[in-house]
Amino acid sequence: GEQVEQRPPHLSVREGDSAIIICTYTDSATAYFSWYKQEAGAGLQLLMSVLSNVDRKEEQGLTVLLNKKDKRLSLNLTAAHPGDSAVYFCAVRSSGSWQLIFGSGTQLTVMP
Amino acid sequence: EAAVTQSPRNKVTVTGGNVTLSCRQTNSHNYMYWYRQDTGHGLRLIHYSYGAGNLQIGDVPDGYKATRTTQEDFFLLLELASPSQTSLYFCASSEARSYEQYFGPGTRLTVL
Repeated sequence: GEQVEQRPPHLSVREGDSAIIICTYTDSATAYFSWYKQEAGAGLQLLMSVLSNVDRKEEQGLTVLLNKKDKRLSLNLTAAHPGDSAVYFCAVRSSGSWQLIFGSGTQLTVMP
Repeated sequence: EAAVTQSPRNKVTVTGGNVTLSCRQTNSHNYMYWYRQDTGHGLRLIHYSYGAGNLQIGDVPDGYKATRTTQEDFFLLLELASPSQTSLYFCASSEARSYEQYFGPGTRLTVL
């Protein structure tokens, strides 16, 4: 079945710097790609999602890149600020399945 | 916006204890899910349901039972809790098999 690897597990950046989180997946039939944010003491909230026919999506300082050839999904936070400090998860779904498969999470810390 | 609540938020029990975790969603979603979150593993699906009275097995069901009493309420039962079940538990809901899932705030369970 689908396997997702996420890296790095921990990421620390300065305010204003960019932060990049990467997930790799194994199933070439993966059709849906998403990123969730988990703030301390809270549940996960959907940040952005793309379908397999999209290579790049930008929204409010976030960029999602999808490289289907390398089976790699990335989330780029440009100009990170302390409020971005949280745990980020990728989650993917194959075209033949309804189930979301989650990465192991990245703890992002943005220092003032 | 979907509202998913969980209770209790924190629970401590002893090995062999009986624990019930509760989840309620108020957005008339058909699907509800129970996940556990452990460091290095991301979120793993325990059980899910697509309606009152329905129950489906997830990826890590051993040691867990679940019951969906109404469209709104989904319970996770640990009848003989073990230390390996110490974890952060999340409930989520979605419309049918929609891509986006809405998460509750989580229940931290400690089994001594």
